Amino acid sequence: DAGVIQSPRHEVTEMGQEVTLRCKPISGHNSLFWYRQTMMRGLELLIYFNNNVPIDDSGMPEDRFSAKMPNASFSTLKIQPSEPRDSAVYFCASSLGPGIHSNQPQHFGDGTRLSIL
Amino acid sequence: QKEVEQNSGPLSVPEGAIASLNCTYSDRGSQSFFWYRQYSGKSPELIMSIYSNGDKEDGRFTAQLNKASQYVSLLIRDSQPSDSATYLCAVKMGSSASKIIFGSGTRLSIRP
Repeated sequence: DAGVIQSPRHEVTEMGQEVTLRCKPISGHNSLFWYRQTMMRGLELLIYFNNNVPIDDSGMPEDRFSAKMPNASFSTLKIQPSEPRDSAVYFCASSLGPGIHSNQPQHFGDGTRLSIL
Repeated sequence: QKEVEQNSGPLSVPEGAIASLNCTYSDRGSQSFFWYRQYSGKSPELIMSIYSNGDKEDGRFTAQLNKASQYVSLLIRDSQPSDSATYLCAVKMGSSASKIIFGSGTRLSIRP
């Protein structure tokens, strides 16, 4: 079984540039989560989707960040314009969502290591 | 108060001993609790889940849950150097069907 697939694995870009991170959740999972991890702040939930609908985006730091999930097998996290303080590892995770599967844990992708110069 | 709290460590335990990791949470309605292990430079991986009060054992790992005290712990018996990692406590908030909040993690070091 393929796990959560993220791309790219590494991204280095200059500040001001647009950055797009991509995620393919595990087939059949209907909840998808975007996290950011830094040494200072640990693992932070940015946004999560259930059945492709954004449910809680309260963790999105500011308007420069946006996320979409156009279908059940694909999501993007976009930063425009990027700033050096956005440098972090961004993880995507998926799980079986609410209902009878509401106790299901999250499965993480390998992450995207983002460096903004 | 943070929603999920853990001691950051590092917690140093001799090889073969029991490592005890603790976590407290603020939402009394929380029903699902998870422990993830994260090696340096890697993604978190699930090692234990617990939903009912009491103990749950899986190999060398035991998760303990006390909802009245809003406390969940992870015991690792016969600690091995390969157990050296950061352990993240995660709690599914009672007010949300899917939202899971992670603690900041406890760094565990097993010394030979």
